[in-house]
Amino acid sequence: SQQGEEDPQALSIQEGENATMNCSYKTSINNLQWYRQNSGRGLVHLILIRSNEREKHSGRLRVTLDTSKKSSSLLITASRAADTASYFCATDSSGGSYIPTFGRGTSLIVHP
Amino acid sequence: DTGVSQDPRHKITKRGQNVTFRCDPISEHNRLYWYRQTLGQGPEFLTYFQNEAQLEKSRLLSDRFSAERPKGSFSTLEIQRTEQGDSAMYLCASSLTSSNYGYTFGSGTRLTVV
Repeated sequence: SQQGEEDPQALSIQEGENATMNCSYKTSINNLQWYRQNSGRGLVHLILIRSNEREKHSGRLRVTLDTSKKSSSLLITASRAADTASYFCATDSSGGSYIPTFGRGTSLIVHP
Repeated sequence: DTGVSQDPRHKITKRGQNVTFRCDPISEHNRLYWYRQTLGQGPEFLTYFQNEAQLEKSRLLSDRFSAERPKGSFSTLEIQRTEQGDSAMYLCASSLTSSNYGYTFGSGTRLTVV
């Protein structure tokens, strides 16, 4: 079973618009991470937010975490065609297993 | 150190053959993970090592799957008697002991069983 679930499954926007993706999870976590995957490639780590943090920024990325709702969101501002990819959240449970568990991802298409 | 390396990038094999994939992690990373990913799905955890110790292997998909990390450096994933359902991308990732620095993934090995 998968711990994190991303929403929506697919998102199509125009260049310059903002893209928001959500992730829900089930158990207590140490941290939550977002990754990007271009077609047929490996995953690239984007940003990590710890369980005691509520918001984090990195360039055009903004991540929020609400541990009471067991959810996170990833906002990409001023999107570019190069942002077209699948985005995954991964959670690292606080049970000490240190096994990052991924959802099914959000497929983002940014039209030029 | 250029990151996590996986070899080969692509493998086509006939059903029933054995295949072995290699992963070279970032040198200072003591944790190494194997995942499988099928089309349209997220990575599915298979097994992981801390140094040479395999700490979790119950999620290997069947007894045809095995992994080793003999000296705590590179790792191999072997699939015996391959089946068409084994066709997937096999991803390797490595990390430091603390998970608070993220995981670095390789580019994967795409397996096609014909």
